[in-house]
Parts: sequence; C-alpha cells; structure tokens
Amino acid sequence: AQSVTQLGSHVSVSEGALVLLRCNYSSSVPPYLFWYVQYPNQGLQLLLKYTTGATLVKGINGFEAEFKKSETSFHLTKPSAHMSDAAEYFCAVSDTGGFKTIFGAGTRLFVKA
Amino acid sequence: DGGITQSPKYLFRKEGQNVTLSCEQNLNHDAMYWYRQDPGQGLRLIYYSQIVNDFQKGDIAEGYSVSREKKESFPLTVTSAQKNPTAFYLCASSLAGGRADTQYFGPGTRLTVL
Repeated sequence: AQSVTQLGSHVSVSEGALVLLRCNYSSSVPPYLFWYVQYPNQGLQLLLKYTTGATLVKGINGFEAEFKKSETSFHLTKPSAHMSDAAEYFCAVSDTGGFKTIFGAGTRLFVKA
Repeated sequence: DGGITQSPKYLFRKEGQNVTLSCEQNLNHDAMYWYRQDPGQGLRLIYYSQIVNDFQKGDIAEGYSVSREKKESFPLTVTSAQKNPTAFYLCASSLAGGRADTQYFGPGTRLTVL
C-alpha cells in the first residue's frame, strides 16, 4: 500500500533562511508525488508534482523538490524563506489505481522575522 | 473564474441532526472528492466520485452519505450516525481522477457539533 511520512509536524526558520521540509514515501509502483500548501482556514493548492522525467521539480513561489528513488524521498526546499511562506505543507502520493491520493500528516512552517 | 465553491463556511449542528455540505465546481472535472481534516492527521478520504451517478467509499465513510446527480455538484451529508463530526471538510475535484491529476480544492466548511 502507498504511504507518506512527513518528518516533523512543525518547522521554524528565520526569514531569509533555507526551508527544508522532509517527505518519505512508500510505493509498490513508480510513484506520482505531490506537494500542496494550505494557508489558514483555506483549501489546499498545488505547489509542484513529480510524475515522470526530470527528478528536480520546480514549483510556484520559488519552491522545488527532488525525487530520489534510492532514498524514497521527495523533500521540499526553498533557498530563502519569506514571511508569506508560513503555512501547512502536505506531501502526497497517488494510489496505484488512480482516483485516490494519500496525504501525509502535514508540516506546519513558521517563519520568524 | 473557474473553481470550487463550498458552503456554508461555518456550520453548527446539534446532536442527532443531519446536515448537508454543498460543493460545486465549474472546472468541468469528472472526478470529485470529500476529505475530512483533523489537526495532526492530514486529510482522510470520505467519498469520491469518478463520474455522474457513481461514487465510492473512501477510508472513513461511516456516518456520511453523498450523491452525484450532476457533474458539477457533489453534496456531502453528515448523518447522526457520525459520532465525532466536528472537523474541517474539504471538497476537491480533478480532471479525470488519473494518478497524475492535480486536485483542486474548495475553501472548506468547518463543522462544529454543539
């Protein structure tokens, strides 16, 4: 069965510092992986996704993620944090049969001035 | 603008009542989903629908019901059988439900049981 583990329920960084949010997955087939962001009291929106091809995926707002099959990881990074990046971030993997997406528990990012 | 709307934004329910949450999309998507979000637990799938007049139970369907009579609408009813319904409910849609499809989310409904 597919699963996703996000390491760290809370991450705090200073404005301008590197953002690193960790995600490990388990999948019996080549995975399709996603990162979504949720601002307070709102729905989720897609940051980026990996399906096939280039393993370094660039998304919106300066975020990127690298698919590493050997490490079963899909960590999300941003070189320089901005106050507006404070939100909850969810890593997700598509189920093998499609139609279902399995979400991680989420990581809340705090950005300090 | 294309998107997903959910109403109401806040909903209060008394014990023993059924309540219905609305979800409408104008993206012309075939697949629609309902998720429940609780703090620290991520999103859990309640029901999903791949096409009109067809829907499937997700991981936590007990105490919930849905209908899909129109492509653009996928209402969720929280019945009195749902023992702990206080949560944030999110509706989503995707083009066809394929593995690579992005899900588009509505703004959510926060349900509180009084």
